Amino acid sequence: DGGITQSPKYLFRKEGQNVTLSCEQNLNHDAMYWYRQDPGQGLRLIYYSQIVNDFQKGDIAEGYSVSREKKESFPLTVTSAQKNPTAFYLCASSLWDRDAGELFFGEGSRLTVL
Amino acid sequence: QQQVKQSPQSLIVQKGGIPIINCAYENTAFDYFPWYQQFPGKGPALLIAIRPDVSEKKEGRFTISFNKSAKQFSLHIMDSQPGDSATYFCAAREANFGNEKLTFGTGTRLTIIP
Repeated sequence: DGGITQSPKYLFRKEGQNVTLSCEQNLNHDAMYWYRQDPGQGLRLIYYSQIVNDFQKGDIAEGYSVSREKKESFPLTVTSAQKNPTAFYLCASSLWDRDAGELFFGEGSRLTVL
Repeated sequence: QQQVKQSPQSLIVQKGGIPIINCAYENTAFDYFPWYQQFPGKGPALLIAIRPDVSEKKEGRFTISFNKSAKQFSLHIMDSQPGDSATYFCAAREANFGNEKLTFGTGTRLTIIP
């Protein structure tokens, strides 16, 4: 089945630790995205990538880092510099096309900082 | 600054009723307006979308009404069912850009009671 796989589904981390969230897609999409979801705030864009080896900051990139070494993979690292890392993180992909609207989302990773 | 304002934050409707979720925007450069549906613990999925050249679009029991002059659009769910209970997000995207310029509303948690 084609889709987006995020792992882990739940993750606990101590303050001061970096953590990496995995995102893999087999939809052959060029574009991939990371969103953060907090109650009452909707979805906010952290980083996005249009092609391999290139990525751009979104609206709330501070304290996060990404890489795009393969078309299928777009991991997100939540660094110790992120002040409020506890959140639900969503990875998405889409065609890179001005007329393509649909974002395909993974099932999310819930990060809790203890 | 919230570019897409969504209301209400939560909504409880009896089975068979017609829940209505409203969104308003200010940016006249928006030209694509999708709605996403999210079930608990899952990622959002595209439900229906509209462009400003039409005032209404129906897909099954879901209808988008669009008022370009008022800069408002809304989602109506006909003959609502308990399985429609989910969080709904409206969104808007700027013309000539991809999903990196997709702005989400804050979400509406809909509960359909039997």
